[in-house]
Amino acid sequence: DAKTTQPPSMDCAEGRAANLPCNHSTISGNEYVYWYRQIHSQGPQYIIHGLKNNETNEMASLIITEDRKSSTLILPHATLRDTAVYYCIVRVVNSDDMRFGAGTRLTVKP
Amino acid sequence: GAGVSQTPSNKVTEKGKYVELRCDPISGHTALYWYRQSLGQGPEFLIYFQGTGAADDSGLPNDRFFAVRPEGSVSTLKIQRTERGDSAVYLCASSREAGANTGELFFGEGSRLTVL
Repeated sequence: DAKTTQPPSMDCAEGRAANLPCNHSTISGNEYVYWYRQIHSQGPQYIIHGLKNNETNEMASLIITEDRKSSTLILPHATLRDTAVYYCIVRVVNSDDMRFGAGTRLTVKP
Repeated sequence: GAGVSQTPSNKVTEKGKYVELRCDPISGHTALYWYRQSLGQGPEFLIYFQGTGAADDSGLPNDRFFAVRPEGSVSTLKIQRTERGDSAVYLCASSREAGANTGELFFGEGSRLTVL
């Protein structure tokens, strides 16, 4: 039983914002939302995580809806190097459990 | 190097053979994870270590798979009587401490196993 649902693929024009959605309608109050990405032939790379507030770092922004049932990862100015599979993961606070789904394959086009 | 190191990067073996895959985590990281990734799929959790002990091995597919971490640092994933279906990239990751809310796992480049 998947905890998150993501579209299998998306395209984005280079220089534009990439908005990657994730549904996690069964999320519990003690579960974080994490995002990782995996560039071809590499291991996954951590991007960002949040509990209920929106978060921003040098890589991306994470917008979590007020009811916490969905979130959006935003890459503000996508580059060709952002082409990757993006994984949205729900993880219990203070847990070491990190399980990946199928993710969204983002293709940034020139 | 400061990252997670996995060896070998590529391994080709014959059906029925025994295989060992090694993971050298980032120094000081107490948590270590093994995942398996088939083509077009997300990483599939296999086992997680906290220190020397396996805290969760619920992802190991059957008793042909076993992993150890005897000194709480380097880990070895062992696969007996390999089958063609075991062909995949085996990923290792480490993190700083158990339950750390940064949640940042650092992954190696993976070991690609091909069973002929």
